[in-house]
Amino acid sequence: RKEVEQDPGPFNVPEGATVAFNCTYSNSASQSFFWYRQDCRKEPKLLMSVYSSGNEDGRFTAQLNRASQYISLLIRDSKLSDSATYLCVVNPVIYNQGGKLIFGQGTELSVKP
Amino acid sequence: EAQVTQNPRYLITVTGKKLTVTCSQNMNHEYMSWYRQDPGLGLRQIYYSMNVEVTDKGDVPEGYKVSRKEKRNFPLILESPSPNQTSLYFCASSFTTGRTGELFFGEGSRLTVL
Repeated sequence: RKEVEQDPGPFNVPEGATVAFNCTYSNSASQSFFWYRQDCRKEPKLLMSVYSSGNEDGRFTAQLNRASQYISLLIRDSKLSDSATYLCVVNPVIYNQGGKLIFGQGTELSVKP
Repeated sequence: EAQVTQNPRYLITVTGKKLTVTCSQNMNHEYMSWYRQDPGLGLRQIYYSMNVEVTDKGDVPEGYKVSRKEKRNFPLILESPSPNQTSLYFCASSFTTGRTGELFFGEGSRLTVL
């Protein structure tokens, strides 16, 4: 089992739709989680950090389910500009201190007019 | 402007010819790391550094070397490149003290080894 798993997609959704991605992790001790956005062949950029049960920033909501060991990213009112690959990242070390970050393979989102 | 700068951005080289990819950040970050990204495999960590003179192996360190003599610089060295090191490379940095996962990435270096 991979340490961090994501559905690769692609998720094809119309503008205005709500879409959700899940990311499962295998190390139950993990405490710090992150969502990054990566546009084609560009560098990843931090979208959200999740240190407790969840986080919300405008149209984006991240939720953590420790019992089932997954984090989700919800995007409401999708825009064309949301089209990208979304990477889930886990820091398995307590207090986000460790340097060995684990990346999921990413979920591709395509928002259509 | 806060940034992570990698050079070169694009490089084509031949097997066995030593090369160095430089990485520099201007944010006074303690943590720096190198990743490679390949289709179907996602981002994989090569090496990371928690601070000056402190480096550790990531998941795929074979064939690479790093050094951290100064806080701002973290070069990636390929002593004898091989075709399987053809990849897109990213350098990233962050603060430690509970924020290691909040990474700033460089724009990437696309390396082709013939």
